[in-house]
Amino acid sequence: EEQLVDSGGGLVQPGGSLRLSCAASGFTFTNYAMTWVRQTPGKGLEWVSAISGGGDNTYYADSVKGRFTISRDNSKNTLFVQMNSLRAEDTAIYYCARLKRGGDYVDYWGQGTLVTVSS
Amino acid sequence: AIRMTQSPSSFSASTGDRVTITCRASQGISNYLAWYQQKPGKAPKLLIYGASTLQSGVPSTFSGSGSGTDFTLTISWLQSEDFATYYCQQYYSYPLTFGGGTKVEIK
Repeated sequence: EEQLVDSGGGLVQPGGSLRLSCAASGFTFTNYAMTWVRQTPGKGLEWVSAISGGGDNTYYADSVKGRFTISRDNSKNTLFVQMNSLRAEDTAIYYCARLKRGGDYVDYWGQGTLVTVSS
Repeated sequence: AIRMTQSPSSFSASTGDRVTITCRASQGISNYLAWYQQKPGKAPKLLIYGASTLQSGVPSTFSGSGSGTDFTLTISWLQSEDFATYYCQQYYSYPLTFGGGTKVEIK
């Protein structure tokens, strides 16, 4: 059974850094593009970043470009996002998710990890 | 970026009602549209992709239609477990974008 387990969230001060991880199991990780989607508590969904199966192509929302870096370790079936220069508006639940092969929509989601940026 | 606009943002309905949610793209996206359902405290769940293809395991009371810029999600017979927030998402081009969501509440 496909499973995604997000971790790494927490409280960080403005300007600080945090790295989120997502452990994947139950499918051939390298065959799938992966993505991060965030949701401000009580608000809607915002796409953050995506990475191809091999890791050679990456995509970012303008709101995080230059501050966030998505990466993956296919030997460990793990997805990452390094978040630097964090701002209050980055406060959200961050979901790791799998993109369907042949179409960039999400077919599996992690449980989410909460990132709070506050002094 | 392609902007996705959902309407209404919320509404109340009763069990057994037929409900329709609309999603409009700011430019043509062919049929590269997905719908998700989200319940409080949970991750979203894929309902429909390709504008009209039902994800495996999703009840046939859900259906999707549309192409180009205008899309609809219809629930033909609202059941208690369908009270949730629904989001559309275009995957025609990056950046991927979601609609603002439609919350379906119990009347």
